[in-house]
Amino acid sequence: IAGITQAPTSQILAAGRRMTLRCTQDMRHNAMYWYRQDLGLGLRLIHYSNTAGTTGKGEVPDGYSVSRANTDDFPLTLASAVPSQTSVYFCASSDSSGSQDTQYFGPGTRLTVL
Amino acid sequence: AQRVTQPEKLLSVFKGAPVELKCNYSYSGSPELFWYVQYSRQRLQLLLRHISRESIKGFTADLNKGETSFHLKKPFAQEEDSAMYYCAPKRGNNRLAFGKGNQVVVIP
Repeated sequence: IAGITQAPTSQILAAGRRMTLRCTQDMRHNAMYWYRQDLGLGLRLIHYSNTAGTTGKGEVPDGYSVSRANTDDFPLTLASAVPSQTSVYFCASSDSSGSQDTQYFGPGTRLTVL
Repeated sequence: AQRVTQPEKLLSVFKGAPVELKCNYSYSGSPELFWYVQYSRQRLQLLLRHISRESIKGFTADLNKGETSFHLKKPFAQEEDSAMYYCAPKRGNNRLAFGKGNQVVVIP
């Protein structure tokens, strides 16, 4: 069982380019999340999905979009990357329908936008 | 505004000394509270949750509703405790709100 995986591990991107960060989980969790981690700011929620077919905006959604076509995948897209989107991105999932709604995190994607 | 505060960005302690990470929250109602930890080169993971009232790796955290605090404590720090720690209340919409984190460095 892989748990939750992210790709790529790291990426350097020119400003203005489009980029999709991939996230896949095999735990059949209904809820999935995208966070960005920045020094001094902690983790901030970008977008989330409570179940396949639905998505919602988090604290810092501008410049990002997500889709949830199925239970396992939750890609995050930067339509036109800007340097302020340089960050470490973490995907997470949880079984929020139960009492044990621990969030399980992926290994992260380090993105640098030049 | 609803928020969670972890006042100390960096905490350095000697091995064997007590460590306390402060967390104050301002969410209304009775939120569930969690501490997550990120060790070097590892994924962020759950350390403990207040409803479990358990000790994990020697850490405990007591919810004080009067002070709206959920401080994390360990009586004797170990080198392997060096990590980034995040306090995270669960909000009414079932999502976590992470604090800015505490970097703990345990000095041998």
